[in-house]
Amino acid sequence: NAGVTQNPKFQVLKTGQSMTLQCAQDMNHNSMYWYRQDPGMGLRLIYYSASEGTTDKGEVPNGYNVSRLNKREFSLRLESAAPSQTSVYFCASCPGAGALPSNFGEGSWLTVV
Amino acid sequence: DQQVKQNSPSLSVQEGRISILNCDYTNSMFDYFLWYKKYPAEGPTFLISISSIKDKNEDGRFTVFLNKSAKHLSLHIVPSQPGDSAVYFCAATSGTYKYIFGTGTRLKVLA
Repeated sequence: NAGVTQNPKFQVLKTGQSMTLQCAQDMNHNSMYWYRQDPGMGLRLIYYSASEGTTDKGEVPNGYNVSRLNKREFSLRLESAAPSQTSVYFCASCPGAGALPSNFGEGSWLTVV
Repeated sequence: DQQVKQNSPSLSVQEGRISILNCDYTNSMFDYFLWYKKYPAEGPTFLISISSIKDKNEDGRFTVFLNKSAKHLSLHIVPSQPGDSAVYFCAATSGTYKYIFGTGTRLKVLA
């Protein structure tokens, strides 16, 4: 049972490049989250998805897009990466809508140069 | 404006003693609070939660206390073990999916 899986784990991007962070969960959870964590700060919510086909903005959605095409997968896309998006990104899931994020992935370290 | 604050960036405790991690919040609409533990290079792990209708919740060695009038919650770990060494985050919500996290406290339990 893999839980929440994120790919890639490490990525270096040039300013202006685009990329997609992949997240998949195998626990049949309804809700999924994308967070970012910066040094000296707590996790900040980028986007949330209560179910397949629905997404909602979090605290820091600017510069990101998300896609929840099915129940398992929730992807985060950076269309034009900026150095301010250098961060560690965490995907999380939980069984119910709006419930606490109970299962986290191991994180994706993204550096934008 | 930081709505959830963990004012102690780090804490060291002897093995077997009590660890007390503190968290303050400013938003009186928060009604549900969480604690997570995070090891390096791993995602956070949910530890324990408390609703605003309670002032205490216990789970094994972990107890969370909530003081609504002071807008303060604390996590007690008794007894502390070396495996408890990690960063601890508190988080709060006003009933939505938008959980606001504190900046974390690094706990080191000394053997």
